[in-house]
Amino acid sequence: DGGITQSPKYLFRKEGQNVTLSCEQNLNHDAMYWYRQDPGQGLRLIYYSQIVNDFQKGDIAEGYSVSREKKESFPLTVTSAQKNPTAFYLCASTPGQGNTEAFFGQGTRLTVV
Amino acid sequence: GENVEQHPSTLSVQEGDSAVIKCTYSDSASNYFPWYKQELGKRPQLIIDIRSNVGEKKDQRIAVTLNKTAKHFSLHITETQPEDSAVYFCAAKWGGSYIPTFGRGTSLIVHP
Repeated sequence: DGGITQSPKYLFRKEGQNVTLSCEQNLNHDAMYWYRQDPGQGLRLIYYSQIVNDFQKGDIAEGYSVSREKKESFPLTVTSAQKNPTAFYLCASTPGQGNTEAFFGQGTRLTVV
Repeated sequence: GENVEQHPSTLSVQEGDSAVIKCTYSDSASNYFPWYKQELGKRPQLIIDIRSNVGEKKDQRIAVTLNKTAKHFSLHITETQPEDSAVYFCAAKWGGSYIPTFGRGTSLIVHP
């Protein structure tokens, strides 16, 4: 069953801790993305990767880091430098260039406690 | 880069009414315009898309129109039902780019 999977669905973090959100896809897509979603803010791009071992900052990269060691995986680390990390995080993938839809994971809701 | 504006941010209608959501884009090179529906707490999913060689596309109660000259496109939902209640996102992309640019979303509320 092809798709894109995020884990965990809910995550709680203490202030000052780093946490890593998982994103895995078996769609053989080249490109993967991380978005942050806050009420009324839409989808804001954090990082994206067009190919293995390469990634680029999006609009709100500060306080986040990523890696792309495998085509299937694009984990996002929320570091202690992110001042307001409580949000809904969505991972997405596309085949690459060309006019095709983006496939989204089911999201991870991160809460700082 | 591309900039996509979406209006309104909230739309409240009675069941059976029509709903229209409008988006404008800035990059004339954009040629792919998808619409996504996101139900509460769930992932966005594609509901309809249009490419720049087409002016209108319909799928049952949903239609999308595109005006390339004015650089705007719209989502039309007819005979709305309570299950249409969700956040709708428009996006714009051109074939040479990896990244779709999303609008801020419209929260559609359909009252029974």
